[in-house]
Amino acid sequence: AQSVTQLDSHVSVSEGTPVLLRCNYSSSYSPSLFWYVQHPNKGLQLLLKYTSAATLVKGINGFEAEFKKSETSFHLTKPSAHMSDAAEYFCVVSDPNNAGNMLTFGGGTRLMVKP
Amino acid sequence: DTGVSQDPRHKITKRGQNVTFRCDPISEHNRLYWYRQTLGQGPEFLTYFQNEAQLEKSRLLSDRFSAERPKGSFSTLEIQRTEQGDSAMYLCASSFRQGVVNEQFFGPGTRLTVL
Repeated sequence: AQSVTQLDSHVSVSEGTPVLLRCNYSSSYSPSLFWYVQHPNKGLQLLLKYTSAATLVKGINGFEAEFKKSETSFHLTKPSAHMSDAAEYFCVVSDPNNAGNMLTFGGGTRLMVKP
Repeated sequence: DTGVSQDPRHKITKRGQNVTFRCDPISEHNRLYWYRQTLGQGPEFLTYFQNEAQLEKSRLLSDRFSAERPKGSFSTLEIQRTEQGDSAMYLCASSFRQGVVNEQFFGPGTRLTVL
């Protein structure tokens, strides 16, 4: 079975400061990992994905994440927060060997950005 | 707009009524997924189709729920005899399986409120 734990349900940062959203996964195989963002009244949007290539993954809007197998972590970072980054972020795992490739979501982290 | 669309965006119903939601995936995508997201939680997998075949169903999908994808294009999700616990956001996603990476594109969701 696979699972995802997002260690913080809420993160608050000031505009222009770094962002760190933490994610740990549990999996018995080499998973595919994703970060999705959900803005109010909008659909989930893919930020970035890890698929067993480079361990440091760059995504849209300046976000990046590093896959650390030894720590079973896939934390999301951004050097400088912008007001428009305020949203709900989901860490997601998928088993590439499962025919359906269903996604298993973490509980989400709400990012608040203060001016 | 060539993204995933869902209709309606909002549905308010009384307990015991039947409701049906529609999802139109990205046209060339052969896979279609349904997820349910309750308030403050991450989405949870319900079921998925490859073309017109429904290949897997979650234990969350009780016998009051039925999903179809009759021609391998749009899909419908019906809930019979709705209960207050069915109140949630119902998300549809589609993908085209390439290699082992399964990037799913999400629609805006249908928010169901059962009174």
